[in-house]
Amino acid sequence: DIQMTQSPSSLSASVGDRVTITCQASQAIGHYLNWYQQKPGKAPKLLIYDASNLETGVPSRFSGSGSGTDFTFTISSLQPEDFATFYCQQYDDLPLTFGGGTKLEI
Amino acid sequence: QVQLVESGGGVVQPGRSLRLSCAASGFTFNNYGMHWVRQTPGKGLEWVAVIWFDGNNKYYTDSVKGRFTISRDNSKNTSYLQMNSLRVDDTAVYYCARDLSSGSYYPIHWGQGTLVTVSS
Repeated sequence: DIQMTQSPSSLSASVGDRVTITCQASQAIGHYLNWYQQKPGKAPKLLIYDASNLETGVPSRFSGSGSGTDFTFTISSLQPEDFATFYCQQYDDLPLTFGGGTKLEI
Repeated sequence: QVQLVESGGGVVQPGRSLRLSCAASGFTFNNYGMHWVRQTPGKGLEWVAVIWFDGNNKYYTDSVKGRFTISRDNSKNTSYLQMNSLRVDDTAVYYCARDLSSGSYYPIHWGQGTLVTVSS
């Protein structure tokens, strides 16, 4: 199975801050990586697909980059509604695997 | 819009069975693969299984192989997860999710989840 290592596991930030989360795959996965946002009691929501493509309707302050084994997710200017947990997920091979999550807190 | 509604969760004893259902609407069900993903506080998100649009291909994570069966009824726009020989570590919120396409991609639309608790 492809292991996804996400860091940090938690992060304290303020409104307006720029935030970066990293995700490392245990083997090369090309660009087959997604980023999801999950708020308490809700299902995950797809934000970024194919490592760097913004899902329809997602604000442009969210962005992703990377390929191979190293990926980055950035929020350029945190908004109050962005405080949530974020997960990376690879779909290069089955089983689909997720990172451990990054909890973004005020 | 895409809607996925899971049902069938509950409290069950170890070794018993449970069947989850996922009722889909808002899209042409028989064109899309369907996934089940579970989430526990301790282990985060774990992909469980996928079934392709036509039901001819099914894949499982190792920990549920031989115990869980994914299926679908395209005439009822419903996906199922039959869970047998349940274990305490199967306790989780189970989400059904629609694939981007036929089944070979990733979950893009998710239901609200149904809680399964395995406990004696």
